[in-house]
Amino acid sequence: QSALTQPASVSGSPGQSITITCTGTSSDVGGYHYVSWYQQHPGKVPKLMIYEVSNRPSGVSNRFSGSKSGNTASLTISGLKAEDEADYYCSSYTRYSTRVFGGGTKLTVL
Amino acid sequence: EVQLVESGGGLVKPGGSLRLSCAASGFPFTNYYMNWVRQAPGKGLEWVSSISGTNNYIYYGDSVKGRFTISRDNAKNSLSLQMNSLRDEDTAVYYCARDPYFSAGGDYWGQGTLVTVSS
Repeated sequence: QSALTQPASVSGSPGQSITITCTGTSSDVGGYHYVSWYQQHPGKVPKLMIYEVSNRPSGVSNRFSGSKSGNTASLTISGLKAEDEADYYCSSYTRYSTRVFGGGTKLTVL
Repeated sequence: EVQLVESGGGLVKPGGSLRLSCAASGFPFTNYYMNWVRQAPGKGLEWVSSISGTNNYIYYGDSVKGRFTISRDNAKNSLSLQMNSLRDEDTAVYYCARDPYFSAGGDYWGQGTLVTVSS
Protein backbone atom coordinates (compact mmCIF):
# COMPACT_ATOMS: atom_id res chain seq x y z
CA GLN A 1 0.00 0.00 0.00
CA SER A 2 2.25 2.76 -1.22
CA ALA A 3 1.06 6.32 -0.70
CA LEU A 4 -0.15 8.19 -3.73
CA THR A 5 2.37 10.69 -5.10
CA GLN A 6 1.73 14.39 -4.68
CA PRO A 7 4.10 17.35 -5.06
CA ALA A 8 5.38 18.47 -1.68
CA SER A 9 4.47 22.06 -2.33
CA VAL A 10 2.80 24.37 -4.79
CA SER A 11 2.29 28.12 -4.72
CA GLY A 12 0.33 30.79 -6.47
CA SER A 13 -0.70 34.41 -6.19
CA PRO A 14 -4.18 35.58 -5.27
CA GLY A 15 -6.53 35.31 -8.22
CA GLN A 16 -4.41 32.76 -10.04
CA SER A 17 -5.24 29.09 -10.61
CA ILE A 18 -3.16 26.19 -9.36
CA THR A 19 -3.34 22.46 -9.92
CA ILE A 20 -2.23 19.72 -7.52
CA THR A 21 -1.62 16.31 -9.01
CA CYS A 22 -2.01 12.91 -7.42
CA THR A 23 -0.39 9.97 -9.16
CA GLY A 24 -1.20 6.36 -8.41
CA THR A 25 -1.50 3.18 -10.40
CA SER A 26 -4.13 1.23 -12.28
CA SER A 27 -4.81 -0.54 -8.98
CA ASP A 28 -6.06 2.59 -7.31
CA VAL A 29 -6.47 6.01 -8.94
CA GLY A 30 -6.60 4.66 -12.48
CA GLY A 31 -8.95 1.83 -11.72
CA TYR A 32 -11.72 3.48 -9.75
CA HIS A 33 -13.87 6.57 -9.66
CA TYR A 34 -13.33 6.85 -5.89
CA VAL A 35 -10.79 9.65 -5.68
CA SER A 36 -11.27 12.28 -2.98
CA TRP A 37 -9.47 15.46 -1.97
CA TYR A 38 -9.12 16.93 1.52
CA GLN A 39 -8.06 20.34 2.79
CA GLN A 40 -6.40 20.68 6.18
CA HIS A 41 -5.51 23.95 7.84
CA PRO A 42 -2.85 23.82 10.59
CA GLY A 43 -4.22 22.33 13.77
CA LYS A 44 -7.60 21.66 12.20
CA VAL A 45 -9.58 18.60 11.18
CA PRO A 46 -9.39 17.63 7.48
CA LYS A 47 -12.27 18.78 5.31
CA LEU A 48 -13.63 16.90 2.30
CA MET A 49 -13.39 19.10 -0.81
CA ILE A 50 -13.97 16.67 -3.69
CA TYR A 51 -15.35 13.13 -3.82
CA GLU A 52 -15.70 10.60 -6.64
CA VAL A 53 -13.11 12.45 -8.73
CA SER A 54 -15.06 15.60 -9.47
CA ASN A 55 -18.02 16.05 -7.12
CA ARG A 56 -18.15 18.87 -4.58
CA PRO A 57 -19.93 18.41 -1.26
CA SER A 58 -22.53 20.98 -0.38
CA GLY A 59 -20.91 24.18 0.84
CA VAL A 60 -17.60 23.77 -0.95
CA SER A 61 -16.77 26.65 -3.26
CA ASN A 62 -17.02 26.02 -7.00
CA ARG A 63 -13.49 27.40 -7.24
CA PHE A 64 -12.44 23.85 -6.37
CA SER A 65 -12.64 21.25 -9.12
CA GLY A 66 -11.36 17.73 -9.64
CA SER A 67 -10.51 15.57 -12.62
CA LYS A 68 -8.68 12.41 -13.55
CA SER A 69 -6.72 11.15 -16.51
CA GLY A 70 -5.32 7.65 -16.43
CA ASN A 71 -3.50 7.06 -13.15
CA THR A 72 -3.32 10.75 -12.25
CA ALA A 73 -5.98 12.80 -10.50
CA SER A 74 -5.90 16.57 -10.22
CA LEU A 75 -7.32 19.23 -7.95
CA THR A 76 -7.60 22.70 -9.44
CA ILE A 77 -8.24 25.80 -7.37
CA SER A 78 -9.18 28.86 -9.37
CA GLY A 79 -9.31 32.46 -8.18
CA LEU A 80 -6.84 31.66 -5.42
CA LYS A 81 -7.54 33.27 -2.04
CA ALA A 82 -5.40 33.64 1.06
CA GLU A 83 -7.77 31.31 2.94
CA ASP A 84 -6.93 28.50 0.51
CA GLU A 85 -3.44 28.24 2.02
CA ALA A 86 -3.45 24.78 3.60
CA ASP A 87 -2.32 21.20 3.16
CA TYR A 88 -4.17 19.15 0.56
CA TYR A 89 -4.42 15.37 0.45
CA CYS A 90 -5.78 13.09 -2.22
CA SER A 91 -7.11 9.63 -1.48
CA SER A 92 -8.23 6.64 -3.47
CA TYR A 93 -9.98 3.32 -3.13
CA THR A 94 -7.78 0.38 -4.17
CA ARG A 95 -8.21 -2.99 -5.84
CA TYR A 96 -7.79 -4.64 -2.45
CA SER A 97 -10.77 -2.66 -1.10
CA THR A 98 -8.37 -0.72 1.08
CA ARG A 99 -7.86 3.03 0.90
CA VAL A 100 -4.76 5.14 0.53
CA PHE A 101 -3.84 8.80 0.98
CA GLY A 102 -1.33 10.84 -0.91
CA GLY A 103 1.64 12.29 0.91
CA GLY A 104 0.08 15.75 0.99
CA THR A 105 0.81 19.05 -0.74
CA LYS A 106 1.40 22.34 1.04
CA LEU A 107 -0.24 25.19 -0.83
CA THR A 108 1.25 28.63 -0.27
CA VAL A 109 -0.61 31.72 -1.41
CA LEU A 110 2.03 34.32 -2.17
CA GLU B 1 -26.47 17.42 13.10
CA VAL B 2 -23.82 14.82 12.43
CA GLN B 3 -21.42 14.42 15.34
CA LEU B 4 -18.46 12.13 15.84
CA VAL B 5 -16.67 12.19 19.18
CA GLU B 6 -13.55 10.14 19.80
CA SER B 7 -12.27 9.11 23.21
CA GLY B 8 -9.78 6.74 24.76
CA GLY B 9 -6.47 8.30 23.75
CA GLY B 10 -3.58 8.68 26.15
CA LEU B 11 -0.03 7.70 27.00
CA VAL B 12 0.90 4.04 26.72
CA LYS B 13 4.20 2.17 26.82
CA PRO B 14 5.56 0.30 23.79
CA GLY B 15 3.99 -3.13 23.63
CA GLY B 16 0.90 -1.93 25.46
CA SER B 17 -2.73 -1.74 24.41
CA LEU B 18 -5.35 0.95 24.10
CA ARG B 19 -8.97 1.02 22.95
CA LEU B 20 -10.35 4.03 21.12
CA SER B 21 -14.04 4.76 20.81
CA CYS B 22 -16.05 7.00 18.52
CA ALA B 23 -19.60 7.99 19.46
CA ALA B 24 -21.74 8.81 16.46
CA SER B 25 -25.00 10.74 16.34
CA GLY B 26 -27.23 12.64 13.94
CA PHE B 27 -27.32 10.09 11.10
CA PRO B 28 -28.37 6.46 10.44
CA PHE B 29 -25.15 4.86 11.66
CA THR B 30 -25.81 1.45 10.11
CA ASN B 31 -25.96 2.94 6.62
CA TYR B 32 -22.34 4.05 6.51
CA TYR B 33 -18.86 2.71 6.27
CA MET B 34 -16.68 4.17 9.00
CA ASN B 35 -12.94 4.84 8.86
CA TRP B 36 -10.12 5.36 11.32
CA VAL B 37 -7.45 7.75 10.08
CA ARG B 38 -4.32 8.83 11.94
CA GLN B 39 -1.83 11.65 11.68
CA ALA B 40 1.56 11.48 13.35
CA PRO B 41 2.93 14.81 14.66
CA GLY B 42 3.97 16.97 11.72
CA LYS B 43 3.17 14.22 9.22
CA GLY B 44 0.48 13.46 6.66
CA LEU B 45 -2.76 11.56 6.90
CA GLU B 46 -2.65 7.77 7.04
CA TRP B 47 -5.67 5.53 6.51
CA VAL B 48 -5.84 2.92 9.29
CA SER B 49 -8.98 0.84 8.88
CA SER B 50 -12.49 0.67 7.45
CA ILE B 51 -15.62 -1.21 8.47
CA SER B 52 -18.87 -1.57 6.56
CA GLY B 53 -22.20 -0.60 8.00
CA THR B 54 -23.23 -4.14 8.79
CA ASN B 55 -19.80 -5.37 9.94
CA ASN B 56 -19.48 -7.62 6.90
CA TYR B 57 -16.41 -5.99 5.43
CA ILE B 58 -13.32 -4.97 7.36
CA TYR B 59 -10.03 -3.72 5.99
CA TYR B 60 -6.70 -2.62 7.50
CA GLY B 61 -3.63 -0.75 6.45
CA ASP B 62 -0.45 -2.82 6.24
CA SER B 63 1.17 -0.97 9.14
CA VAL B 64 -1.53 -2.03 11.63
CA LYS B 65 -2.72 -5.37 10.24
CA GLY B 66 -2.57 -8.07 12.88
CA ARG B 67 -2.24 -5.55 15.74
CA PHE B 68 -5.37 -3.38 15.47
CA THR B 69 -8.99 -4.50 15.40
CA ILE B 70 -11.85 -2.31 14.23
CA SER B 71 -15.40 -3.00 15.37
CA ARG B 72 -18.76 -1.29 15.67
CA ASP B 73 -21.86 -1.61 17.81
CA ASN B 74 -24.75 -0.41 15.71
CA ALA B 75 -27.16 -0.63 18.63
CA LYS B 76 -25.04 1.95 20.46
CA ASN B 77 -23.94 3.97 17.41
CA SER B 78 -20.38 3.35 18.42
CA LEU B 79 -17.14 2.61 16.56
CA SER B 80 -14.05 1.17 18.24
CA LEU B 81 -10.39 0.55 17.51
CA GLN B 82 -8.56 -1.96 19.70
CA MET B 83 -4.86 -1.30 19.43
CA ASN B 84 -2.41 -3.95 20.65
CA SER B 85 1.37 -4.32 20.52
CA LEU B 86 1.70 -0.57 20.21
CA ARG B 87 4.90 0.90 18.82
CA ASP B 88 6.50 4.32 18.98
CA GLU B 89 5.44 4.92 15.38
CA ASP B 90 1.78 4.52 16.31
CA THR B 91 1.96 7.87 18.08
CA ALA B 92 -0.58 10.07 16.33
CA VAL B 93 -3.90 11.82 16.48
CA TYR B 94 -6.56 9.28 15.61
CA TYR B 95 -9.70 10.42 13.82
CA CYS B 96 -12.91 8.56 13.08
CA ALA B 97 -14.72 9.55 9.91
CA ARG B 98 -17.99 8.75 8.19
CA ASP B 99 -17.33 7.39 4.71
CA PRO B 100 -20.12 7.49 2.10
CA TYR B 101 -17.71 7.56 -0.85
CA PHE B 102 -15.22 4.70 -0.45
CA SER B 103 -12.66 7.27 0.54
CA ALA B 104 -9.74 7.06 2.96
CA GLY B 105 -11.35 9.77 5.08
CA GLY B 106 -14.94 10.88 4.95
CA ASP B 107 -17.47 13.67 4.81
CA TYR B 108 -17.60 14.11 8.60
CA TRP B 109 -14.70 13.76 11.01
CA GLY B 110 -14.34 13.76 14.75
CA GLN B 111 -11.97 16.14 16.51
CA GLY B 112 -9.44 13.39 17.04
CA THR B 113 -7.84 11.76 20.08
CA LEU B 114 -4.09 11.74 20.73
CA VAL B 115 -2.31 8.46 21.30
CA THR B 116 1.26 8.70 22.56
CA VAL B 117 3.40 5.57 22.69
CA SER B 118 6.49 6.18 24.78
CA SER B 119 8.46 4.56 27.56
